[in-house]
Amino acid sequence: DGGITQSPKYLFRKEGQNVTLSCEQNLNHDAMYWYRQDPGQGLRLIYYSQIVNDFQKGDIAEGYSVSREKKESFPLTVTSAQKNPTAFYLCASSIEGTSAIYNEQFFGPGTRLTVL
Amino acid sequence: LAKTTQPISMDSYEGQEVNITCSHNNIATNDYITWYQQFPSQGPRFIIQGYKTKVTNEVASLFIPADRKSSTLSLPRVSLSDTAVYYCLVGGRNNDMRFGAGTRLTVKP
Repeated sequence: DGGITQSPKYLFRKEGQNVTLSCEQNLNHDAMYWYRQDPGQGLRLIYYSQIVNDFQKGDIAEGYSVSREKKESFPLTVTSAQKNPTAFYLCASSIEGTSAIYNEQFFGPGTRLTVL
Repeated sequence: LAKTTQPISMDSYEGQEVNITCSHNNIATNDYITWYQQFPSQGPRFIIQGYKTKVTNEVASLFIPADRKSSTLSLPRVSLSDTAVYYCLVGGRNNDMRFGAGTRLTVKP
């Protein structure tokens, strides 16, 4: 059963702690993305990766870090430098990200992070 | 990056056709127009994509005029389950496409 999984669904952390959000896909997609969504707002791109061992900053990368050591995994770390980390985090993947032809993005169920 | 403008919200009733228009005046030659649907606490889901004229699938139709500076998503005979946020994206590659605030559609009985 192919798809994207994110864990956990809900995450609580104390202020000042780093936290890592998991994203795994078994769709054999090359490209993966991390978005942040605040209540009543659209999605904002944090980081994206077009291929293993390569990733690029999106529009709001400050306070976040990622790694792409395996094709199927793209974990996001929310560091203590992120001023307002409480949000809904969505991971997505697509067949590829470099083609001039748009490829549909498939989204995971999301992780709701609350920093206390 | 192409900027898009959509209405913030729309209301409709069950069984009606809903048309959501998106404005994208600075669309580039290689840009596609793509629409996503998002339910609360879920990730967006791809609905439809087009480049010009009209595209239709089992869920919706997408109308794009010749100048491509706008597009209209048409949802036929909506039901309560179509209540969601609808996003219009414009771009040539995923990395160039951005989700705006979207249009919050509320379907009433």
